[in-house]
Amino acid sequence: QKEVEQNSGPLSVPEGAIASLNCTYSDRGSQSFFWYRQYSGKSPELIMFIYSNGDKEDGRFTAQLNKASQYVSLLIRDSQPSDSATYLCAVRGLSFGNEKLTFGTGTRLTIIP
Amino acid sequence: DAGVTQSPTHLIKTRGQQVTLRCSPKSGHDTVSWYQQALGQGPQFIFQYYEEEERQRGNFPDRFSGHQFPNYSSELNVNALLLGDSALYLCASSAYTGTPDSPLHFGNGTRLTVT
Repeated sequence: QKEVEQNSGPLSVPEGAIASLNCTYSDRGSQSFFWYRQYSGKSPELIMFIYSNGDKEDGRFTAQLNKASQYVSLLIRDSQPSDSATYLCAVRGLSFGNEKLTFGTGTRLTIIP
Repeated sequence: DAGVTQSPTHLIKTRGQQVTLRCSPKSGHDTVSWYQQALGQGPQFIFQYYEEEERQRGNFPDRFSGHQFPNYSSELNVNALLLGDSALYLCASSAYTGTPDSPLHFGNGTRLTVT
């Protein structure tokens, strides 16, 4: 079992619709959870991070965390063509010496005008 | 406020050669991590430096080594390059707080091609 798994893509969503990206993780000791957006040939750009159960909203983006189910998701409302990118889910422990980010392989999202 | 800066942007090396990549963290950050991202994959953790010491290491051979300087900048060295070392090398910085709310910010990366 992979440590971090993301829903297989590619994912195509019409412009203006809601894009839903999902991620599960295996390490129950994970403390914080990150969503990065990566355009082709570019480096990952932090979109949101969350560390408490529930929802966290920032503009058109909402991150949802359920530690009991070891599940984290990212919702993108009113999807725009500029949202077309690969979205990387990453988890991190917090104990001393265990702060590395473990990434999933990413989900490629395409917003269709 | 300068973000994480990496140099060089691109690099082409031959098998067996050695390479040094450089990273300056975001202002106010004291922790630097290095990641390798192969095409179509998520970034893989190489190691993390804090207070000029390697604090955590991923599953990479000893050919990969690093250093952190007193000004928090860092270098990644790779010896005896293999074709499989061709990848995007990412530096990430953060401020060590011991709490969950300290995200990592990535630099623009160095694209290494080994021929």
